[in-house]
Amino acid sequence: DTGVSQNPRHKITKRGQNVTFRCDPISEHNRLYWYRQTLGQGPEFLTYFQNEAQLEKSRLLSDRFSAERPKGSFSTLEIQRTEQGDSAMYLCASSLSGSVTDTQYFGPGTRLTVL
Amino acid sequence: AQKITQTQPGMFVQEKEAVTLDCTYDTSDQSYGLFWYKQPSSGEMIFLIYQGSYDEQNATEGRYSLNFQKARKSANLVISASQLGDSAMYFCAMREGLGNYQLIWGAGTKLIIKP
Repeated sequence: DTGVSQNPRHKITKRGQNVTFRCDPISEHNRLYWYRQTLGQGPEFLTYFQNEAQLEKSRLLSDRFSAERPKGSFSTLEIQRTEQGDSAMYLCASSLSGSVTDTQYFGPGTRLTVL
Repeated sequence: AQKITQTQPGMFVQEKEAVTLDCTYDTSDQSYGLFWYKQPSSGEMIFLIYQGSYDEQNATEGRYSLNFQKARKSANLVISASQLGDSAMYFCAMREGLGNYQLIWGAGTKLIIKP
């Protein structure tokens, strides 16, 4: 049973560029979540999918952010016209609906640095 | 108001001693779940233990136990026989209500185990 994987692990980009991150959840998990974590803080929720449907989006997810999960398997998070304030760790998690605890299991994260 | 409060920014503990990490929460929902995660310097968020609001027994997982005091709205993590590998950030998180899937996080406690 492989865990959640995320690619790339690190991304350095210049302000104004677009970036895309990928998340592959645990294979049988139908729920997928994106969080953002800045240094010294707990994660902040960005968005949530059940299967391919995006059911919840935080107001933190500005128009420059978009997330997809086209076939209910992997997900992508795209940030357009990156700003220095976007520098953070982007965490993906997955869970199985119907499980007793619906525990979210996290990937290793993608660390974004915007210069 | 903070939903999850972790009052200890940092803690030093001698190896092999037990340690308690504090977490208080605020919710008006009767149904909620509390989670503890460990985040080593590598960045991956590792699930440790879960406590449901209706669980009558305190949760235990190996060396981890949760001291759940519902009336006080506290869910403290106890690590017995601490090891050097326990050095990490520890986060308390809550999923509140039915139909909510995002986790609300505390600011974390940095635990350092001294040899």
